[in-house]
Amino acid sequence: DAGVIQSPRHEVTEMGQEVTLRCKPISGHDYLFWYRQTMMRGLELLIYFNNNVPIDDSGMPEDRFSAKMPNASFSTLKIQPSEPRDSAVYFCASSQTVPSSYEQYFGPGTRLTVT
Amino acid sequence: AQSVTQLDSHVSVSEGTPVLLRCNYSSSYSPSLFWYVQHPNKGLQLLLKYTSAATLVKGINGFEAEFKKSETSFHLTKPSAHMSDAAEYFCVVSDLLSGGSYIPTFGRGTSLIVHP
Repeated sequence: DAGVIQSPRHEVTEMGQEVTLRCKPISGHDYLFWYRQTMMRGLELLIYFNNNVPIDDSGMPEDRFSAKMPNASFSTLKIQPSEPRDSAVYFCASSQTVPSSYEQYFGPGTRLTVT
Repeated sequence: AQSVTQLDSHVSVSEGTPVLLRCNYSSSYSPSLFWYVQHPNKGLQLLLKYTSAATLVKGINGFEAEFKKSETSFHLTKPSAHMSDAAEYFCVVSDLLSGGSYIPTFGRGTSLIVHP
């Protein structure tokens, strides 16, 4: 398997623009997570899905953030409108309930810079 | 509720000397515990995991960790540090919650610095 795939790897945008980050989990995995990592706040869980259904989005910072998982092989994280404080590395991770022990497999991340 | 505390934000060692990264956890049930490593500008990679089998767990690159329930600890060790071990290390606890769902909880991370 190619692992968790994220695109784009780098995104530079201007404040106020819409940003869409994409993730393809490992085939067969039933959990998908979106994280944000910054120097100040460390690694934060934003939202996670189980079988394409959002389970907990309490980590989503504001209504400007939204995430979808239309099918088992694709998820998006959207920021609209973007702000400079959204600059961070965004990671997607997937895992499977059975037979695994919930270990997560991380993508390479998307480095977002909002100017 | 579950939580994890990484006791050191930075650990500095000389190449060839032992490494000890400390992790304490709090969990209501029988947790799974993990260590992940993140090299600069890279994603997180699983080093090792404990899932209620042997309490001494061996991972990749010579790392190992021991689950000590009485101390609620899961410290990461390596006998001899290598320059390539310089990275950020995350301890993670994960419980199967009621309802069949779970949320892994990450520690704040420990930055391992290796001096020549």
